[in-house]
Amino acid sequence: EAGVAQSPRYKIIEKRQSVAFWCNPISGHATLYWYQQILGQGPKLLIQFQNNGVVDDSQLPKDRFSAERLKGVDSTLKIQPAKLEDSAVYLCASSLEPGGSLTNEQFFGPGTRLTVL
Amino acid sequence: AQSVSQHNHHVILSEAASLELGCNYSYGGTVNLFWYVQYPGQHLQLLLKYFSGDPLVKGIKGFEAEFIKSKFSFNLRKPSVQWSDTAEYFCAALGVDTGKLIFGQGTTLQVKP
Repeated sequence: EAGVAQSPRYKIIEKRQSVAFWCNPISGHATLYWYQQILGQGPKLLIQFQNNGVVDDSQLPKDRFSAERLKGVDSTLKIQPAKLEDSAVYLCASSLEPGGSLTNEQFFGPGTRLTVL
Repeated sequence: AQSVSQHNHHVILSEAASLELGCNYSYGGTVNLFWYVQYPGQHLQLLLKYFSGDPLVKGIKGFEAEFIKSKFSFNLRKPSVQWSDTAEYFCAALGVDTGKLIFGQGTTLQVKP
């Protein structure tokens, strides 16, 4: 079974530039998550999709971050404009179903390491 | 508010030593509990999980964890660590009603050969 795919793996940009990350979840997984992991901290949920609808985006800084999952499969996360504090690893995860069920195990991708200079 | 706290940021052990990593959670409702591991250069992967039933759960690679409801704890244990266990370990709690997975800050385990 193929895992969660993410690209690019690394990205270096200057502040105020824009950047986009791509995620392809495990086939058949309805729920997709984007997490931000700052160095020395655990992952923090940014946004959760159920198929192509947003379930939870309460932690997403909406003035600069946006995400979409148009066809209920792939997803993109965009930052525009980037700030120094956005330097982090951006993780995508997927699960068969959302939380609270026995099939809610989240499978994580390798992440995109973003450095903002 | 839902939160997870891991007691140690960095643990250094010699091979064959026993391991216990502490994890406490705070949540008013029912939780599912997880331990994830991230080996150097690899992605996060699930070590073990607790949903209900037997509070002692066994995971991959000889790891186990015990859920103690009265202490809001879910400590990870391994009787004898190996050099290959060097990794970062994350405890996480999922509120069953919110569906939100909250991670602790992680513990870096370094096992010296």
